[in-house]
Amino acid sequence: DIQMTQSPASLSASLGETVTIECRASEDIYNGLAWYQQKPGKSPQLLIYNANSLHTGVPSRFSGSGSGTQYSLKINSLQSEDVASYFCQQYYDYPYTFGAGTKLELK
Amino acid sequence: QVTLKESGPGILQPSQTLSLTCSFSGFSLSTSGICVSWIRQPSGKGLEWLATICWEDSKGYNPSLKNRLTISKDTSNNQAFLKITSVDTADTAIYYCARSGGIAHFDYWGQGVMVTVSS
Repeated sequence: DIQMTQSPASLSASLGETVTIECRASEDIYNGLAWYQQKPGKSPQLLIYNANSLHTGVPSRFSGSGSGTQYSLKINSLQSEDVASYFCQQYYDYPYTFGAGTKLELK
Repeated sequence: QVTLKESGPGILQPSQTLSLTCSFSGFSLSTSGICVSWIRQPSGKGLEWLATICWEDSKGYNPSLKNRLTISKDTSNNQAFLKITSVDTADTAIYYCARSGGIAHFDYWGQGVMVTVSS
């Protein structure tokens, strides 16, 4: 199985700040990576797919980058509605695997 | 508009079989490239992929659950199903179904259904 190591586990940031969340795969996943946002009591929502493609309707302050085994999600100009948990997921190979998640809070 | 909705028994006892249904609209599981997957999330924890079924009836299972999983579909009624045999308290979780375009990211998710295994 491909292991996804996500960091940090939690993050506190101020409104307007830029935050970065990272995900490392245990082997090359050839950009087969997605990022999801999950608000409390809600289902995950797709933000980024193929490592750097923005899903329809997602604000442009979200962006993804990376290649090989190292990937990152950046949120520019943090808004209050961005308070949530964020998960990465590899779909390069079965079994699909997720990172453990990053809980983003406002400072 | 793509929507998915999960349904299940709510509560069941250890050793029983869990049967889940995903009812969806806005797409068809007979369309080339479309797949439906099941993912679960214990309370306050991370996400675990369980199984995927695709338009041509190919299936993928998480080997960590060994032979306990069976995924199937009813294309005519726009439904997908998951059975988990011999459930244990460790199977207590929110179960989600989600759509993907083949071996790919999950672009639409259901609201989830809570399943509790308790004696």
